[in-house]
Amino acid sequence: KNEVEQSPQNLTAQEGEFITINCSYSVGISALHWLQQHPGGGIVSLFMLSSGKKKHGRLIATINIQEKHSSLHITASHPRDSAVYICAVRSTNFGNEKLTFGTGTRLTIIP
Amino acid sequence: NAGVTQTPKFQVLKTGQSMTLQCAQDMNHEYMSWYRQDPGMGLRLIHYSVGAGITDQGEVPNGYNVSRSTTEDFPLRLLSAAPSQTSVYFCASSPDSYYNTEAFFGQGTRLTVV
Repeated sequence: KNEVEQSPQNLTAQEGEFITINCSYSVGISALHWLQQHPGGGIVSLFMLSSGKKKHGRLIATINIQEKHSSLHITASHPRDSAVYICAVRSTNFGNEKLTFGTGTRLTIIP
Repeated sequence: NAGVTQTPKFQVLKTGQSMTLQCAQDMNHEYMSWYRQDPGMGLRLIHYSVGAGITDQGEVPNGYNVSRSTTEDFPLRLLSAAPSQTSVYFCASSPDSYYNTEAFFGQGTRLTVV
């Protein structure tokens, strides 16, 4: 079992829909990252969370430490949100040197 | 600031050839790392460095060498390329590995070994 599991693997939605991407992890963590990878390949950091909730524009990230679960929400989705969204955790098991990554959720927003 | 710069963006190698993937950052970050991304798998750590002169192995280090002679540069060397090293490689940096800080990634290098 992977230490970081994302769901769904693929998600297709209509423009304007509310999007939720989930991330569950099995290790103790000091922080969780949400990353975005566009078709061109580059990876951009969206959020880093250790508790609670963060919002940036139409993106909202939440984390529940007790349940070992995080969600990334996109409101009023747009075709430019089409990308792979990756969850990564900084585990307390590895002295903080290592990020463990999920396999990503491929999001496609149809106009 | 340019952020994290990786070169080249694409490379094709023959089995047995060697090459160096370049990574440079201009943010004075102490922590730098190299990952590989393969289909159906999360990014996996190859090597990392917590500061100039200090490097350590990640989870998939075999076939790769690194050095960190300056804070800015962290090149990844493939000693004798193998088809199993066909992958997309990402360099990343962050201010410090021991405090939870944002990670900055390069644009990636798509390597094909034939």
